[in-house]
Amino acid sequence: DTGVSQDPRHKITKRGQNVTFRCDPISEHNRLYWYRQTLGQGPEFLTYFQNEAQLEKSRLLSDRFSAERPKGSFSTLEIQRTEQGDSAMYLCASSFRGRGLGDTQYFGPGTRLTVL
Amino acid sequence: AQTVTQSQPEMSVQEAETVTLSCTYDTSESDYYLFWYKQPPSRQMILVIRQEAYKQQNATENRFSVNFQKAAKSFSLKISDSQLGDAAMYFCAYNEEGGSEKLVFGKGTKLTVNP
Repeated sequence: DTGVSQDPRHKITKRGQNVTFRCDPISEHNRLYWYRQTLGQGPEFLTYFQNEAQLEKSRLLSDRFSAERPKGSFSTLEIQRTEQGDSAMYLCASSFRGRGLGDTQYFGPGTRLTVL
Repeated sequence: AQTVTQSQPEMSVQEAETVTLSCTYDTSESDYYLFWYKQPPSRQMILVIRQEAYKQQNATENRFSVNFQKAAKSFSLKISDSQLGDAAMYFCAYNEEGGSEKLVFGKGTKLTVNP
């Protein structure tokens, strides 16, 4: 069990550029979540996948944001035409949803995005 | 919508002493889970303790224990014998049984441990 990994750990970009982040969940975890955390706040839910299906998206996820999880393994989160307000820590978490059990989410180290 | 409130932005404790962090939540559901996560500076979020709402017994994990009051919608975390390594942001979180089970977090409490 190598834990949840995220790449890159830090990203600095200029306003208007596109960025893509990657998350590799714990192997065999069937659920994957993306959260955004701004300074001084708790993480806020963005979207989640069960296997390869994206089943819920937050209102926070504008049409500039897109997420994928091809083949139900790793996931990518893309932000198009970045804005300064997108600067935040983007956290990925994964869990295993078993029958009759609530899941515990395990978090990756996050990708810190700075938009200049 | 569910909300989670942590009313203490910052707390401090002397090494080896006990500290309690407060958390209240609002929900109309009966089946849910509550969590405390720890986020050390520049490090990733890790699970401290978890409580199932249907269990009356308070969860404990070594030096960490909770006081879960379902009727009052209160979920406090007690850290006994505080250690320097306990210094971190602590987040209380809620999720609802079924559906996405996305976590709803409070704003966090910054815990400082003084030697």
